[in-house]
Amino acid sequence: AQSVTQLDSQVPVFEEAPVELRCNYSSSVSVYLFWYVQYPNQGLQLLLKYLSGSTLVKGINGFEAEFNKSQTSFHLRKPSVHISDTAEYFCAVTPDTGRRALTFGSGTRLQVQP
Amino acid sequence: NAGVTQTPKFRILKIGQSMTLQCAQDMNHNYMYWYRQDPGMGLKLIYYSVGAGITDKGEVPNGYNVSRSTTEDFPLRLELAAPSQTSVYFCASSSPQNTEAFFGQGTRLTVV
Repeated sequence: AQSVTQLDSQVPVFEEAPVELRCNYSSSVSVYLFWYVQYPNQGLQLLLKYLSGSTLVKGINGFEAEFNKSQTSFHLRKPSVHISDTAEYFCAVTPDTGRRALTFGSGTRLQVQP
Repeated sequence: NAGVTQTPKFRILKIGQSMTLQCAQDMNHNYMYWYRQDPGMGLKLIYYSVGAGITDKGEVPNGYNVSRSTTEDFPLRLELAAPSQTSVYFCASSSPQNTEAFFGQGTRLTVV
């Protein structure tokens, strides 16, 4: 079984400041890792994913994440946030074989202030 | 492109009533999923399906049933609704070749 821990439930940040949203996971098998974003009253949209290869992955809207296998982490970063980045962000994992259902963290609400 | 379509978007049920949440996808995906989202809890898997005629339980299946008679549709049935089933429900789909899951817009259900 897998589990995902998002260490911060809320992250307030000023516009144009950098931000890091933290994600740690636990799994007895190899996994794929994902970050999804949810804007108010909407479904989830994929930001980026790590399957294999380079541990630094770039996604949409200027976000990037780094996979660290030894620390079982997959932190999300953006060097300069905008008001429009205000949303809920979910880290998720799925085994790289077999059942592909995602296991989600509890989410981090990013609040960008002017 | 429609993607994953969920109906209805909102619903209020009385305790003990039943209803079916509809989900349809037009991407020819084999895998489909139902999740529920509660505040501060992330998304929890209710049921999933790897193809027509095949379904299996997720983490929180009690009080729900599903069927998968076609590749496109994956309805979720609530029998004897309870206040604990007040939640936002998301349907998603994916293919074995593409690891990305595509989500519907959600159904907000309130049981009173």
